[in-house]
Amino acid sequence: QSVLTQPPSVSGAPGQRVTISCTGSSSNIGAPYDVHWYQHLPGTAPKLLIYGNTNRPSGVPDRFSGSKSGTSASLAITGLQAEDEADYFCQSYDTSLSVVFGGGTKLTVL
Amino acid sequence: QVQLVQSGAEVKKPGASVKVSCKASGYTFTGSYMHWVRQAPGQGLEWMGWINPNSGGTNYAQKFQGRVTMTRDTSMSTVYMELSRLRSDDTAVYYCAITFGGVIVHFDYWGQGTLVTVSS
Repeated sequence: QSVLTQPPSVSGAPGQRVTISCTGSSSNIGAPYDVHWYQHLPGTAPKLLIYGNTNRPSGVPDRFSGSKSGTSASLAITGLQAEDEADYFCQSYDTSLSVVFGGGTKLTVL
Repeated sequence: QVQLVQSGAEVKKPGASVKVSCKASGYTFTGSYMHWVRQAPGQGLEWMGWINPNSGGTNYAQKFQGRVTMTRDTSMSTVYMELSRLRSDDTAVYYCAITFGGVIVHFDYWGQGTLVTVSS
């Protein structure tokens, strides 16, 4: 059971916009600790997509954006492309002095 | 460029120990924290703890205290994670990942993962 809650799956057609939610509590996201997002393709190293709630590392397309409000955060992907099909997971920190993760969301591009 | 290269897959019997390595390159090894994260089949990611390669200091997740040991060899720019008294539910892909600027931050880079299978 992951500390942060994500939907198991989302889907969208090419060109569409999808969002992935990440829900925590007052001891992590609401503490408030930053939320970070990663893209993970099976068999590869996870890749940092969004850090500090809203920031994109260099090289990450601006189709990816992050937001945070209260005890929740969201990742939005616009202009969906086939190559975006992957697992996405959120990460934060907790007052228990632990790094915490969401359970991951599988994005399917229809 | 930054690279974290992990050791190969392992198969262990219940009760045994496993030691996974993570060799770093492309950045100042002692200028980061190295974490270990695992993912069991069909499950989410689980943080195991970190080691400060500069001081050797460690912080382990409560769940793994007493079973996990993280060490480093600065001459080899390599960090090791040893997990003892293995159980079947320790079967997972184990990742090393680095953070710069502290531990309450994002993981900048990850290793490719090491599959550890625990089976009798």
